[in-house]
Amino acid sequence: AQSVTQLDSQVPVFEEAPVELRCNYSSSVSVYLFWYVQYPNQGLQLLLKYLSGSTLVESINGFEAEFNKSQTSFHLRKPSVHISDTAEYFCAVSPIIQGAQKLVFGQGTRLTINP
Amino acid sequence: NAGVMQNPRHLVRRRGQEARLRCSPMKGHSHVYWYRQLPEEGLKFMVYLQKENIIDESGMPKERFSAEFPKEGPSILRIQQVVRGDSAAYFCASSPVSKSPEQYFGPGTRLTVT
Repeated sequence: AQSVTQLDSQVPVFEEAPVELRCNYSSSVSVYLFWYVQYPNQGLQLLLKYLSGSTLVESINGFEAEFNKSQTSFHLRKPSVHISDTAEYFCAVSPIIQGAQKLVFGQGTRLTINP
Repeated sequence: NAGVMQNPRHLVRRRGQEARLRCSPMKGHSHVYWYRQLPEEGLKFMVYLQKENIIDESGMPKERFSAEFPKEGPSILRIQQVVRGDSAAYFCASSPVSKSPEQYFGPGTRLTVT
């Protein structure tokens, strides 16, 4: 079984400041890792994913996440946030085994950007 | 290419009524997942379906909840005799093939039980 822990339920930051949203997971098998973003009253959008290869993955809007196998972490970072980044961010994993698998989500981190 | 469609977006039911939530996957996707998001919580997996088959229902409550994905038409999540604790956002996701790990989410149905 898998579990995901997002250590911060809320993260307030000022506009243009850097931010890190933390994510740790537990799994007895290898996993794929994902970050999803949920804007108010909307569904989830895939922000970025780690499937294989380079452990540093980037999104088109400036976010990046690094897979650290030894620390079982997949923290999300952005060097300079914008008001439009205000949203809830969910870390998720799915096991790398035959066939499609359910996603296991963390509790979410609410990112609030203050002007 | 239209995304995952869910309807209705908002649904209000009185205790004891039935709720039917519909999900049309993205074109070309044959795998559907249902997740539930309770207030102030993350998403919890409920059920995974392919056309005419339930693959994994380990997250479904044992009673009152059922899901189907018929050969034709949308996937349906059905909740019978709703209770206040069923109030939540229900999200559907789809993926194209069995080995694709990415899932694409719909906008959700927000169920309120009064």
